Amino acid sequence: DADVTQTPRNRITKTGKRIMLECSQTKGHDRMYWYRQDPGLGLRLIYYSFDVKDINKGEISDGYSVSRQAQAKFSLSLESAIPNQTALYFCATSDPRGVTGELFFGEGSRLTVL
Amino acid sequence: QKEVEQNSGPLSVPEGAIASLNCTYSDRVSQSFFWYRQYSGKSPELIMSIYSNGDKEDGRFTAQLNKASQYVSLLIRDSQPSDSATYLCAVNRGSQGNLIFGKGTKLSVKP
Repeated sequence: DADVTQTPRNRITKTGKRIMLECSQTKGHDRMYWYRQDPGLGLRLIYYSFDVKDINKGEISDGYSVSRQAQAKFSLSLESAIPNQTALYFCATSDPRGVTGELFFGEGSRLTVL
Repeated sequence: QKEVEQNSGPLSVPEGAIASLNCTYSDRVSQSFFWYRQYSGKSPELIMSIYSNGDKEDGRFTAQLNKASQYVSLLIRDSQPSDSATYLCAVNRGSQGNLIFGKGTKLSVKP
């Protein structure tokens, strides 16, 4: 089983719908991240959390919210999805005691907003 | 100016050749530099990190860093078709350690 698990892996939804992407990890890492990847734009950070009580905005947080339910769980919500939120979303974890800059990514959640 | 810039490619090299991937960054205080490899349809994985000027070798991979020129590169010797992937350059941003990624360079190694 994957150490960083994302659900759903694929989702098609309509404009205006609320969507939640979930991430759980068994690596025991305190730090968790949500990125989106778009063709030609690379990986961009949406939100990150260094522990359960710490939530921080990344470079493109508008239109998104997150919840850190436990050390192992970090969810990303789109309150009212719009077509330009169509992208591949990655959850990632890191260990501050480990290799600096090493992120462990989930398998990705492909979201299509019609 | 984009903080981390890479040539998007595609870069095509024959099997056995040296592939050279380049990256420039704009923030002079950046301290840590990373190369991630992403196969098509898969998630990125870290393959190299470099923190000081000069070269760092790991098997067929060599990372090169020149902080004065704000330039980091990845050389892949004896390229194999299995090296065909998108290579993402990432730079440490600030004291919190969040990474800023380039757009990636797609490498194709032809048999």
